[in-house]
Amino acid sequence: KQEVTQIPAALSVPEGENLVLNCSFTDSAIYNLQWFRQDPGKGLTSLLLIQSSQREQTSGRLNASLDKSSGRSTLYIAASQPGDSATYLCAVSSGNTPLVFGKGTRLSVIA
Amino acid sequence: DGGITQSPKYLFRKEGQNVTLSCEQNLNHDAMYWYRQDPGQGLRLIYYSQIVNDFQKGDIAEGYSVSREKKESFPLTVTSAQKNPTAFYLCASNPTKNYGYTFGSGTRLTVV
Repeated sequence: KQEVTQIPAALSVPEGENLVLNCSFTDSAIYNLQWFRQDPGKGLTSLLLIQSSQREQTSGRLNASLDKSSGRSTLYIAASQPGDSATYLCAVSSGNTPLVFGKGTRLSVIA
Repeated sequence: DGGITQSPKYLFRKEGQNVTLSCEQNLNHDAMYWYRQDPGQGLRLIYYSQIVNDFQKGDIAEGYSVSREKKESFPLTVTSAQKNPTAFYLCASNPTKNYGYTFGSGTRLTVV
């Protein structure tokens, strides 16, 4: 059964820092991996979707990488801003099973 | 604009009551999903449907029921058999299994 782990559980950084969020998964036979952002009390906003054949995806200050063989993905956020403060969730889709989620990393960017 | 609409935003349930959470999408997506989120936890799958008139149980289906009579609608009923229903419920959809998911804004259910 697929398991997704996100490290660290919480992270606090000063504004302007570059940072990396980590995601690992146990079964490398995935279709895709998706990174989401969740603000308190809100739904999930999709940030990046990486197909299993891809190595990375970029959107603005965000870059997500995927190493399927090692079961790892990273989300890189450049020049962090207070508005980036949120919980970031990693989820993988494998076989015919729906998305399996990690518990998230709660990010605080301090002005 | 296309998207997923969940209603109501807040819902209160008395002990022993059944309640139904609404999820409607106008994205023409085939598949729809219900997840539950508890504080400090990741999302856990309740039920999903990949086609009209068909649905499958997820990891925590006990105490819940669903229907998929129309492509755009996937309501979730929380029955009295669900002993700890207080949580944040999220509905999602996607076109097929290789595509990303779109989520609604969620319904917060509280037992009073």
